[in-house]
Amino acid sequence: LAKTTQPISMDSYEGQEVNITCSHNNIATNDYITWYQQFPSQGPRFIIQGYKTKVTNEVASLFIPADRKSSTLSLPRVSLSDTAVYYCLVGGGTKAAGNKLTFGGGTRVLVKP
Amino acid sequence: KAGVTQTPRYLIKTRGQQVTLSCSPISGHRSVSWYQQTPGQGLQFLFEYFSETQRNKGNFPGRFSGRQFSNSRSEMNVSTLELGDSALYLCASSPGTGGLEGYEQYFGPGTRLTVT
Repeated sequence: LAKTTQPISMDSYEGQEVNITCSHNNIATNDYITWYQQFPSQGPRFIIQGYKTKVTNEVASLFIPADRKSSTLSLPRVSLSDTAVYYCLVGGGTKAAGNKLTFGGGTRVLVKP
Repeated sequence: KAGVTQTPRYLIKTRGQQVTLSCSPISGHRSVSWYQQTPGQGLQFLFEYFSETQRNKGNFPGRFSGRQFSNSRSEMNVSTLELGDSALYLCASSPGTGGLEGYEQYFGPGTRLTVT
């Protein structure tokens, strides 16, 4: 499983765009990039997943450059309720990967009023 | 569809006792994974069950065990509890054939276990 590196924490203000970059230099050809969000005392929640270029859903965008050695989660116009820990995961893509998720330290995002 | 449910939500046990936690996955999901979350170690994978068989296992001692029933419900057991077992125990379900869909797992609210 590819190791990931994320910033430990980030502060932002309501209405701003938050971009969290994750480094994964040893990503494998079959690996996908997945982001989860976790609020205190709750289980992580799937946000978005991608393989290359750009993926967008109703809550976030995921930008992946051509070399795939990093990825950026973009949260548009954050609100106070977006204060949470965000985890970047790399892997999956093959049945051999199974359902074992390896979480790194995550990025603690604090949205201020 | 109902989400993943875990019972109990909170539990207090004494060192040396054993505990059993229960997880009901989303209807139709065949894979159930268990994770331990502590402030010091973060989120760590315990094990995964698929069709009543343990398919993946993390690096935890044998005191941690689990099982899955024919209806996909799962239980995990911790014997001879230690203070360090105090944690949030999370269960996650997915359709379960592995690979990409395993990375879109649905987590329950967790069971907060306190060992005194």
